[in-house]
Amino acid sequence: QVKLLQSGAALVKPGDSVKMSCKASGYTFTDYIIHWVKQSHGKSLEWIGYINPYSGGTNYNEKFKSKATLTVDKSSSTAYMEFSRLTSEDSAIYYCARSGPYGGYFAYWGQGTLVTVSS
Amino acid sequence: DIQMTQSPASLSASLGETVTIECRASEDIYNGLAWYQQKPGKSPQLLIYNANSLHTGVPSRFSGSGSGTQYSLKINSLQSEDVASYFCQQYYDYPYTFGAGTKLELK
Repeated sequence: QVKLLQSGAALVKPGDSVKMSCKASGYTFTDYIIHWVKQSHGKSLEWIGYINPYSGGTNYNEKFKSKATLTVDKSSSTAYMEFSRLTSEDSAIYYCARSGPYGGYFAYWGQGTLVTVSS
Repeated sequence: DIQMTQSPASLSASLGETVTIECRASEDIYNGLAWYQQKPGKSPQLLIYNANSLHTGVPSRFSGSGSGTQYSLKINSLQSEDVASYFCQQYYDYPYTFGAGTKLELK
């Protein structure tokens, strides 16, 4: 079955960067786009962007364009998101999600990575 | 950006009841709409895509409808395991956007 296993929680200082991972299994990694979504505590969801594992092509939400960098390692079926110049506003749970076959919805989700920004 | 207005923000219903959650888009999204269920401490799970298609493994008491700018999620015969937050999401245009969510509780 499709699984997306994300890296563990991170505690980082303001101004630092964090890189989180999302390891896919149960399907052909290069067949589906991987999206990243932010959920601030107790709030709704924000789409950060996506990466096409086959081509490496990316599409970012303008809001996160200078903040997030998406990459993949096809050899290990793993997607990565690096978040830079962190502030308290970046404290949140970050999810990776795999697209569905019929459009830009999120058919399968990782368990989330909690990022806490604190000095 | 396309704004998604979801209502109500919270909802209290009894077991066996039918509940409906609405989502209104700020422009026509041509059925590019999904619904997700999120239980406390868990990641969201897809229920409905393309406005009215049931995702694999989702109980048939969940259904989606709508067109243009107005969409709804209906839960027939509410079960205790349906207590959760529900979100709509448009994927017609970038950036993809979500509704603010509906918290469903048992009465």
